[in-house]
Amino acid sequence: EAGVTQFPSHSVIEKGQTVTLRCDPISGHDNLYWYRRVMGKEIKFLLHFVKESKQDESGMPNNRFLAERTGGTYSTLKVQPAELEDSGVYFCASSQLWTGPYEQYFGPGTRLTVT
Amino acid sequence: AQSVAQPEDQVNVAEGNPLTVKCTYSVSGNPYLFWYVQYPNRGLQFLLKYITGDNLVKGSYGFEAEFNKSQTSFHLKKPSALVSDSALYFCAARFAGTALIFGKGTTLSVSS
Repeated sequence: EAGVTQFPSHSVIEKGQTVTLRCDPISGHDNLYWYRRVMGKEIKFLLHFVKESKQDESGMPNNRFLAERTGGTYSTLKVQPAELEDSGVYFCASSQLWTGPYEQYFGPGTRLTVT
Repeated sequence: AQSVAQPEDQVNVAEGNPLTVKCTYSVSGNPYLFWYVQYPNRGLQFLLKYITGDNLVKGSYGFEAEFNKSQTSFHLKKPSALVSDSALYFCAARFAGTALIFGKGTTLSVSS
């Protein structure tokens, strides 16, 4: 079974540019999460999809971040325009629906550097 | 506010010695508790979880964790460390919602 995949693995962009991160969850996982870790700090929750619907987006830092999940499959996270403080590692995770106290399966992350 | 704390940025231990990576949480109610490990250039890998029942839970790679409700702790342990255990370890909790709340991570370094 393929795990959660993320693309790209690294991205270096200049302040003011746009970047789109992609996440492909494990097949059949209806729950998809985005998290972010700023260097040396906690991994922070950004948002949660159930299928194609946003269940919880309370962690999104501001309206420069836009997440979508087309057809309940893969998800994209767009940052526009990027700022220096957006640098960090963006993790995607997925899990099955209605599985109780389930663990989330994480992708390798996308390291975003804004210069 | 609900939070998870890992008080040590780094833990150093010699191969063959027991290791402990500490985690405490602050919450009302009964959270689900997790440990994840991240090896270089890899994603977070699930190690173990505590839901209810026996306070000592066993997980992957010989790791175990002890839940202590009175101390609100969930320390990760292994009786005999391996050099290959060197990695970044994250404690996480899930409370009422579905999002995980993470600690800041502890780097474990096992020397040969």
